[in-house]
Amino acid sequence: EAQVTQNPRYLITVTGKKLTVTCSQNMNHEYMSWYRQDPGLGLRQIYYSMNVEVTDKGDVPEGYKVSRKEKRNFPLILESPSPNQTSLYFCASSETIRLTQYFGPGTRLLVL
Amino acid sequence: AQKVTQAQTEISVVEKEDVTLDCVYETRDTTYYLFWYKQPPSGELVFLIRRNSFDEQNEISGRYSWNFQKSTSSFNFTITASQVVDSAVYFCAGLYNNNDMRFGAGTRLTVKP
Repeated sequence: EAQVTQNPRYLITVTGKKLTVTCSQNMNHEYMSWYRQDPGLGLRQIYYSMNVEVTDKGDVPEGYKVSRKEKRNFPLILESPSPNQTSLYFCASSETIRLTQYFGPGTRLLVL
Repeated sequence: AQKVTQAQTEISVVEKEDVTLDCVYETRDTTYYLFWYKQPPSGELVFLIRRNSFDEQNEISGRYSWNFQKSTSSFNFTITASQVVDSAVYFCAGLYNNNDMRFGAGTRLTVKP
């Protein structure tokens, strides 16, 4: 089954404790991206990747890091999480940037 | 500036009513792509439609229809004979510059039985 998976789905952590949210797709898509969803703001793009080893900042990259060492994986790293990073995070992938993005199930993060 | 605006924060209708969700986009690009996604209460994002800037044809898919008008920079979404299962948050989005994806704030639709 073609899908985008994210882990964990739910995470409660404390300020400053490094965490990684994994994202994996099995569709051989070149393009992957991360978004955060906050009430009243819709989804905002954090980082995106056009292909392996090619990443770039989106609209709200501060406080986040990503890497794309393999085509299927695009982890999101919070080196020192803060409460303002409490949000719902979505990973997405598509064949190319112009085509439809397919989203993972979301990761709900609470930073205390 | 690249932007997508969904002015309707929440809409409530009674089952079988028709409802239109508005979406206005801003861009100076000549090539761009517009999307609608549905987010049901379960939380996932479901793709509904994609349109490129050169294709102004309206689209109908069952009870769903989309009206793309470049003259008014709008890409509105109409649900005919709404059903309770249509209750969700609907997002309009635009892809600009081939890498700048912008979402609207979303419209929460509640369909009451």
